[in-house]
Amino acid sequence: GENVEQHPSTLSVQEGDSAVIKCTYSDSASNYFPWYKQELGKRPQLIIDIRSNVGEKKDQRIAVTLNKTAKHFSLHITETQPEDSAVYFCAALKGSNDYKLSFGAGTTVTVRA
Amino acid sequence: NAGVTQTPKFQVLKTGQSMTLQCAQDMNHEYMSWYRQDPGMGLRLIHYSVGAGITDQGEVPNGYNVSRSTTEDFPLRLLSAAPSQTSVYFCASSPLRVAGLQETQYFGPGTRLLVL
Repeated sequence: GENVEQHPSTLSVQEGDSAVIKCTYSDSASNYFPWYKQELGKRPQLIIDIRSNVGEKKDQRIAVTLNKTAKHFSLHITETQPEDSAVYFCAALKGSNDYKLSFGAGTTVTVRA
Repeated sequence: NAGVTQTPKFQVLKTGQSMTLQCAQDMNHEYMSWYRQDPGMGLRLIHYSVGAGITDQGEVPNGYNVSRSTTEDFPLRLLSAAPSQTSVYFCASSPLRVAGLQETQYFGPGTRLLVL
Protein backbone atom coordinates (compact mmCIF):
# COMPACT_ATOMS: atom_id res chain seq x y z
CA GLY A 1 0.00 0.00 0.00
CA GLU A 2 0.83 3.67 0.12
CA ASN A 3 3.56 4.79 2.53
CA VAL A 4 2.97 8.21 4.12
CA GLU A 5 5.63 9.86 6.25
CA GLN A 6 4.80 12.88 8.41
CA HIS A 7 7.13 15.42 10.03
CA PRO A 8 7.64 16.69 12.62
CA SER A 9 6.13 14.36 15.21
CA THR A 10 5.76 17.25 17.68
CA LEU A 11 5.56 20.98 17.11
CA SER A 12 5.38 23.77 19.67
CA VAL A 13 4.55 27.29 18.49
CA GLN A 14 3.85 30.63 20.11
CA GLU A 15 0.29 31.84 19.80
CA GLY A 16 -0.02 33.98 16.69
CA ASP A 17 2.86 32.27 14.88
CA SER A 18 2.49 29.87 11.94
CA ALA A 19 2.72 26.08 12.02
CA VAL A 20 3.76 23.89 9.10
CA ILE A 21 3.46 20.10 8.89
CA LYS A 22 4.89 18.20 5.95
CA CYS A 23 3.99 14.78 4.56
CA THR A 24 5.59 12.72 1.82
CA TYR A 25 4.04 9.83 -0.06
CA SER A 26 5.52 7.02 -2.11
CA ASP A 27 3.01 6.20 -4.86
CA SER A 28 2.83 8.68 -7.72
CA ALA A 29 -0.71 7.44 -8.47
CA SER A 30 -2.00 8.99 -5.23
CA ASN A 31 -4.42 11.78 -6.00
CA TYR A 32 -6.37 12.65 -2.84
CA PHE A 33 -4.82 14.08 0.31
CA PRO A 34 -6.98 14.86 3.36
CA TRP A 35 -5.91 16.30 6.70
CA TYR A 36 -7.59 15.30 9.95
CA LYS A 37 -7.47 17.02 13.34
CA GLN A 38 -7.89 15.06 16.57
CA GLU A 39 -8.32 16.88 19.85
CA LEU A 40 -7.41 15.08 23.03
CA GLY A 41 -9.83 12.23 23.72
CA LYS A 42 -11.94 13.02 20.67
CA ARG A 43 -12.47 11.50 17.25
CA PRO A 44 -10.52 12.61 14.13
CA GLN A 45 -12.31 15.20 12.00
CA LEU A 46 -11.52 16.36 8.46
CA ILE A 47 -10.24 19.95 8.34
CA ILE A 48 -9.16 20.29 4.72
CA ASP A 49 -8.38 18.14 1.70
CA ILE A 50 -6.77 18.57 -1.69
CA ARG A 51 -6.96 16.68 -4.95
CA SER A 52 -4.06 16.23 -7.33
CA ASN A 53 -5.47 18.57 -9.97
CA VAL A 54 -4.82 21.63 -7.76
CA GLY A 55 -1.63 22.89 -6.13
CA GLU A 56 -3.06 24.81 -3.20
CA LYS A 57 -6.27 25.13 -1.24
CA LYS A 58 -7.10 27.56 1.53
CA ASP A 59 -9.83 27.76 4.16
CA GLN A 60 -9.53 30.74 6.49
CA ARG A 61 -6.37 30.19 8.58
CA ILE A 62 -5.48 26.80 7.17
CA ALA A 63 -4.05 25.95 3.78
CA VAL A 64 -2.66 22.89 2.10
CA THR A 65 -0.09 22.80 -0.70
CA LEU A 66 0.73 19.88 -2.97
CA ASN A 67 3.91 19.24 -4.94
CA LYS A 68 3.24 16.20 -7.16
CA THR A 69 6.72 16.17 -8.61
CA ALA A 70 8.36 15.91 -5.21
CA LYS A 71 5.48 13.80 -3.84
CA HIS A 72 4.89 15.90 -0.78
CA PHE A 73 2.09 18.00 0.66
CA SER A 74 1.99 20.37 3.58
CA LEU A 75 -0.49 21.85 6.04
CA HIS A 76 -0.06 25.50 6.97
CA ILE A 77 -1.82 27.06 9.95
CA THR A 78 -1.47 30.83 10.27
CA GLU A 79 -2.13 33.01 13.32
CA THR A 80 -2.27 29.97 15.58
CA GLN A 81 -4.66 29.98 18.51
CA PRO A 82 -4.85 27.76 21.63
CA GLU A 83 -7.74 25.80 20.08
CA ASP A 84 -5.37 24.72 17.30
CA SER A 85 -3.59 22.49 19.84
CA ALA A 86 -4.30 18.92 18.70
CA VAL A 87 -2.86 15.98 16.79
CA TYR A 88 -2.91 16.42 13.02
CA PHE A 89 -2.87 13.51 10.59
CA CYS A 90 -2.20 13.61 6.88
CA ALA A 91 -3.41 10.84 4.58
CA ALA A 92 -3.22 9.72 0.98
CA LEU A 93 -5.44 7.75 -1.41
CA LYS A 94 -4.34 6.18 -4.69
CA GLY A 95 -7.35 7.02 -6.82
CA SER A 96 -11.04 6.42 -7.37
CA ASN A 97 -10.59 2.66 -7.29
CA ASP A 98 -8.64 2.71 -4.03
CA TYR A 99 -10.51 2.25 -0.77
CA LYS A 100 -7.55 2.18 1.60
CA LEU A 101 -6.73 5.55 3.07
CA SER A 102 -3.13 5.55 4.36
CA PHE A 103 -2.40 7.84 7.30
CA GLY A 104 0.78 9.46 8.52
CA ALA A 105 1.88 8.90 12.12
CA GLY A 106 0.56 12.27 13.29
CA THR A 107 1.94 15.59 14.54
CA THR A 108 1.16 16.84 18.03
CA VAL A 109 0.83 20.62 17.85
CA THR A 110 0.98 22.67 21.02
CA VAL A 111 0.19 26.38 20.87
CA ARG A 112 1.78 28.30 23.76
CA ALA A 113 -0.16 31.26 25.10
CA ASN B 1 -28.80 12.16 12.89
CA ALA B 2 -26.62 10.35 15.42
CA GLY B 3 -23.83 9.99 12.85
CA VAL B 4 -21.45 7.13 13.63
CA THR B 5 -21.91 5.38 16.96
CA GLN B 6 -19.70 2.81 18.64
CA THR B 7 -20.17 0.54 21.64
CA PRO B 8 -18.71 -0.10 24.10
CA LYS B 9 -16.64 2.98 24.95
CA PHE B 10 -14.20 0.97 27.03
CA GLN B 11 -13.56 -2.74 27.44
CA VAL B 12 -11.12 -4.91 29.36
CA LEU B 13 -10.50 -8.44 28.09
CA LYS B 14 -8.34 -11.32 29.17
CA THR B 15 -6.02 -12.97 26.68
CA GLY B 16 -7.94 -15.51 24.62
CA GLN B 17 -11.37 -13.99 25.12
CA SER B 18 -13.48 -12.99 22.15
CA MET B 19 -15.69 -9.97 21.73
CA THR B 20 -17.48 -7.83 19.17
CA LEU B 21 -17.10 -4.08 18.79
CA GLN B 22 -20.25 -2.54 17.44
CA CYS B 23 -20.45 0.25 14.87
CA ALA B 24 -23.54 1.81 13.33
CA GLN B 25 -24.22 4.81 11.09
CA ASP B 26 -27.47 6.46 10.09
CA MET B 27 -26.22 8.47 7.10
CA ASN B 28 -26.82 5.73 4.51
CA HIS B 29 -23.09 5.65 3.70
CA GLU B 30 -21.90 2.87 1.43
CA TYR B 31 -18.34 2.80 2.82
CA MET B 32 -17.49 1.75 6.36
CA SER B 33 -14.14 0.97 7.89
CA TRP B 34 -12.32 0.05 11.07
CA TYR B 35 -9.03 1.60 12.20
CA ARG B 36 -6.83 1.04 15.17
CA GLN B 37 -4.86 3.90 16.68
CA ASP B 38 -1.65 3.27 18.54
CA PRO B 39 0.80 5.90 19.87
CA GLY B 40 3.23 7.04 17.20
CA MET B 41 1.61 4.94 14.47
CA GLY B 42 -1.32 6.99 13.32
CA LEU B 43 -4.49 5.27 12.16
CA ARG B 44 -4.12 1.86 10.55
CA LEU B 45 -6.88 0.31 8.48
CA ILE B 46 -8.07 -3.10 9.70
CA HIS B 47 -11.01 -3.95 7.41
CA TYR B 48 -13.38 -2.03 5.19
CA SER B 49 -16.64 -2.48 3.31
CA VAL B 50 -18.04 -0.76 0.21
CA GLY B 51 -21.57 -2.04 0.73
CA ALA B 52 -23.74 -4.69 2.33
CA GLY B 53 -22.27 -8.13 1.76
CA ILE B 54 -18.87 -6.79 0.63
CA THR B 55 -15.82 -6.65 2.90
CA ASP B 56 -12.08 -6.56 2.31
CA GLN B 57 -8.85 -6.49 4.27
CA GLY B 58 -6.92 -3.39 5.15
CA GLU B 59 -3.37 -2.98 6.37
CA VAL B 60 -3.59 -4.96 9.64
CA PRO B 61 -6.42 -7.54 9.36
CA ASN B 62 -4.92 -10.47 11.30
CA GLY B 63 -6.90 -11.44 14.39
CA TYR B 64 -10.03 -9.56 13.31
CA ASN B 65 -13.18 -10.50 11.41
CA VAL B 66 -15.92 -8.31 10.00
CA SER B 67 -19.27 -8.71 8.30
CA ARG B 68 -21.70 -6.27 6.67
CA SER B 69 -25.22 -7.64 6.59
CA THR B 70 -26.87 -4.19 6.46
CA THR B 71 -25.86 -0.74 5.25
CA GLU B 72 -26.04 0.60 8.80
CA ASP B 73 -23.97 -1.88 10.82
CA PHE B 74 -20.35 -2.99 10.59
CA PRO B 75 -19.25 -5.03 13.64
CA LEU B 76 -15.61 -5.93 14.31
CA ARG B 77 -14.93 -9.29 15.96
CA LEU B 78 -11.82 -10.18 17.90
CA LEU B 79 -11.56 -13.95 17.74
CA SER B 80 -8.99 -14.59 20.48
CA ALA B 81 -7.77 -11.37 22.10
CA ALA B 82 -4.04 -10.77 22.52
CA PRO B 83 -2.19 -8.02 24.44
CA SER B 84 -0.98 -6.69 21.06
CA GLN B 85 -4.59 -5.79 20.28
CA THR B 86 -4.68 -3.25 23.10
CA SER B 87 -5.54 -0.08 21.24
CA VAL B 88 -8.17 2.52 20.50
CA TYR B 89 -10.51 1.40 17.73
CA PHE B 90 -12.31 3.83 15.47
CA CYS B 91 -15.10 3.06 13.05
CA ALA B 92 -15.64 5.45 10.14
CA SER B 93 -18.12 5.84 7.30
CA SER B 94 -18.17 7.77 4.06
CA PRO B 95 -20.38 8.17 1.02
CA LEU B 96 -19.05 6.76 -2.25
CA ARG B 97 -19.54 9.00 -5.24
CA VAL B 98 -18.08 9.11 -8.73
CA ALA B 99 -14.64 9.89 -7.30
CA GLY B 100 -14.80 6.87 -5.00
CA LEU B 101 -13.49 7.44 -1.50
CA GLN B 102 -12.50 11.08 -2.06
CA GLU B 103 -15.01 12.27 0.50
CA THR B 104 -15.02 13.12 4.19
CA GLN B 105 -14.78 10.11 6.46
CA TYR B 106 -16.93 10.49 9.57
CA PHE B 107 -15.44 8.82 12.61
CA GLY B 108 -17.18 7.32 15.59
CA PRO B 109 -16.17 8.24 19.16
CA GLY B 110 -13.86 5.24 19.51
CA THR B 111 -13.60 2.15 21.70
CA ARG B 112 -10.66 1.85 24.08
CA LEU B 113 -9.67 -1.80 24.43
CA LEU B 114 -7.29 -3.22 27.03
CA VAL B 115 -6.22 -6.85 26.75
CA LEU B 116 -4.54 -8.29 29.84
